[in-house]
This record gives sequence, structure tokens and C-alpha cells, in this order.
Amino acid sequence: DTAVSQTPKYLVTQMGNDKSIKCEQNLGHDTMYWYKQDSKKFLKIMFSYNNKELIINETVPNRFSPKSPDKAHLNLHINSLELGDSAVYFCASSQDNWYTEAFFGQGTRLTVV
Amino acid sequence: SQQGEEDPQALSIQEGENATMNCSYKTSINNLQWYRQNSGRGLVHLILIRSNEREKHSGRLRVTLDTSKKSSSLLITASRAADTASYFCVHGGGSNYKLTFGKGTLLTVNP
Repeated sequence: DTAVSQTPKYLVTQMGNDKSIKCEQNLGHDTMYWYKQDSKKFLKIMFSYNNKELIINETVPNRFSPKSPDKAHLNLHINSLELGDSAVYFCASSQDNWYTEAFFGQGTRLTVV
Repeated sequence: SQQGEEDPQALSIQEGENATMNCSYKTSINNLQWYRQNSGRGLVHLILIRSNEREKHSGRLRVTLDTSKKSSSLLITASRAADTASYFCVHGGGSNYKLTFGKGTLLTVNP
């Protein structure tokens, strides 16, 4: 079974649309994250959640709204998509925040046209 | 910015050679981790070293940490073509629930 799974793997959409990316982890971890990787491969954190509570919102536009219905899920909804939103989005989870590794999903490549 | 820096940005070696990548960071850390990303794929955790450790081994990987210099190195011995990937040093932990990635080193191992 995949530890951290994201859907969809690829997403092509037009500017102005609203889309969602789903993430689920079956590791029983308490902390989940969303990262954005730009065209230069730089990975930047967007959000982190601990036990369904938002811990970090790293100056992300409010068009991006994470939702954590339970500890195992952290979905990302994006409103009014812009060309600059094109990137690869990674979901990740870790047991907690102390001395633990993070497990990453395979990423969702979002292309806004 | 709390972002770390890997050095070099790109490294090309022959199979069988050793590869050394360095990382510097700016803040105090709880731990430092190294991850690998194959082209177009997700990130895979390689090794974690705690702030009170100076060296750690895992298979062909050797990581060192110098907290006084705020730097770390990753050594891959006897490299293989399958080691071709981007390698990121990541620091974080603590109360901020954030892993901060460096810009990565692109390693190419030629057969």
C-alpha cells in the first residue's frame, strides 16, 4: 500500500477554474504538509497541520485553502487558478515534529493554461 | 530566509567514484535530513542526523554534521548510475512544524 497518496497525479486546467488535490496517508502520522515545487526545483512549504489543526500558513494566497477532515487526510483546494500556480504540489506526513522523517507523496503536476 | 544551500548545485561523476555534497544552513536546528528526488518523482528520505550527533552511516551513505559551522555533508561511496537524482538537505523540527529545503544538488552518475 502507498504510504502517502495524492490524486490526481496530473492536472491541466484553465485560468480561473477551481480545483482540488486530495492527499491521504495510512501511516497513522499526526502531522501533514503541503509543499510547492517550482520550475527551478525549489521546494517551499505551504501549510502544515498537526492533528487536524493548521500550524503553518506560509504566506500562501487565500485562494489556497487546505482542509483536514481527519488526521489521515489533508486536501488542497485552489480557487481562481492563475498561470503562476503551475507547479508540482507535494503532500507529506510525519509522525510528529521531533526527530522524525517525512514521507512524501508522488506529487501532483498542476498546469494552468 | 531560513533556506539552506547545497554545494555544488550540480555534480557529474563516473560510476564507482564517490560523491560529496555539502549543505549550509542559517538557523539552529533539531535535526538535519537528506532526501533524494529522482526526476519527476516524489522525495525519498535517506538519513537523519540529530543536532547532538556528528556522523552517521547508512549503507553507502555517510553524513556529517558540524553545528558550529552550521554545515553538513553527504558522501555517497561507490556511486551507481541509479544514484542519479537531486539531493536535498532539509532542516527543521521543533515547534515550527516546518521542514526547510535547500536548493538541492543535481548528481549525475555516468555509467
